[in-house]
Amino acid sequence: QSVLTQPPSVSAAPGQRVTISCSGSSSNIGNSYVTWYQQLPGTAPKLLMFENNKRPSEIPDRFSGSKSGTSATLGITGLQTGDEADYYCGAWDSSLSAWVFGGGTKLTVL
Amino acid sequence: EVQLVESGGGLVQRGGSLRLSCAASGFTFSRYAVNWVRQAPGKGLEWLSYISSDSSTIYYADSVKGRFTVSRDNAMNSLYLQMNSLRAEDTAVYYCARDKRLSVDYWGQGTLVTVSS
Repeated sequence: QSVLTQPPSVSAAPGQRVTISCSGSSSNIGNSYVTWYQQLPGTAPKLLMFENNKRPSEIPDRFSGSKSGTSATLGITGLQTGDEADYYCGAWDSSLSAWVFGGGTKLTVL
Repeated sequence: EVQLVESGGGLVQRGGSLRLSCAASGFTFSRYAVNWVRQAPGKGLEWLSYISSDSSTIYYADSVKGRFTVSRDNAMNSLYLQMNSLRAEDTAVYYCARDKRLSVDYWGQGTLVTVSS
């Protein structure tokens, strides 16, 4: 059971938009920044979004992030087949003194 | 270019021990905290341990507390994870990951640990 809650899967057609939610509590998302990772099959997680809504320079602006209260959302527009991956949210939990992650969301581009 | 390269994984019997290493390059290792995170086959990410830049602060997940020990050698740009009393449920890919204080940014490619019963 993960501390952060994500939907197990989402799907959408190429070119469409999809959002992935991440729900936590006051000790983690509510009190910390949210980070998002993309994990392509057989590879290590890759930083996608940090400090809620900042993109590393190599990440296209099709990806966006937001946070409100104890929840966060990752948005992806103009879906491409190469976006098919597992997406994880993460945050520091001040009560646990630990990094906590969501269970991951599998994105399928139909 | 930031690089983290894990090594030391392999097949070990239940109850056995293993020591993982993580070699860092491309950044000033001594200025960053680092973490160990694992991923069991077909499962999500599980954070295991945090060690501050000067080793003064260390945290562990309850699942490994008392069995795993994290350490680092800043002169060697290396991070270690000593794993004792290994269980079948410790079977996973183990990643080291750089801590930027507000986020965990760079990850290594991982090393596979398989605990046989």
